[in-house]
Amino acid sequence: AQSVTQLDSQVPVFEEAPVELRCNYSSSVSVYLFWYVQYPNQGLQLLLKYLSGSTLVESINGFEAEFNKSQTSFHLRKPSVHISDTAEYFCAVRPYSGGSNYKLTFGKGTLLTVNP
Amino acid sequence: DGGITQSPKYLFRKEGQNVTLSCEQNLNHDAMYWYRQDPGQGLRLIYYSQIVNDFQKGDIAEGYSVSREKKESFPLTVTSAQKNPTAFYLCASSRGFNYGYTFGSGTRLTVV
Repeated sequence: AQSVTQLDSQVPVFEEAPVELRCNYSSSVSVYLFWYVQYPNQGLQLLLKYLSGSTLVESINGFEAEFNKSQTSFHLRKPSVHISDTAEYFCAVRPYSGGSNYKLTFGKGTLLTVNP
Repeated sequence: DGGITQSPKYLFRKEGQNVTLSCEQNLNHDAMYWYRQDPGQGLRLIYYSQIVNDFQKGDIAEGYSVSREKKESFPLTVTSAQKNPTAFYLCASSRGFNYGYTFGSGTRLTVV
């Protein structure tokens, strides 16, 4: 079984400041890793994912995340946030089992609030 | 455009009534999922289906039922046996291993 821990339930920051949202996972097998973003009263949207290859992955809106296998972490970062980045962010993992199990395990989410 | 449609967006029901939430996708995805979201608890898996006419219980299936008669549709019924049904319900689908989920916009169910 897998588990995901998002270490901060809420992160308040000022506009144009850097931010890091922390995610650690536990798994006995290799995993794929995902970050999703949820705006109020909406579904989740895929922000970025790590499947293989380079451990640093980037999104189109300036977020990046780095897979650290030794620390079992996949922290999300942005060097300068905007008001529009205010949302809840979810980290998720899926086992790379080679079978047909597509299930994701989600963390409990981190609410990022960007203040002017 | 392809996507997942959940309807209705808001739903009110009286206690003791069954209610069915709709989820339709035109992405040709094999797998579909239902999650429940409560404040501070993240997403909890209710049921999932990897192929038509087959589905499995998730972590909190008690008080819920589903069907998967068509690839495009995965309706969720919240029965009167569900002790605390008021929540935000999210439907998702997946194409395969190397892909994440595509989510619908959710249904907020309030039972009074």
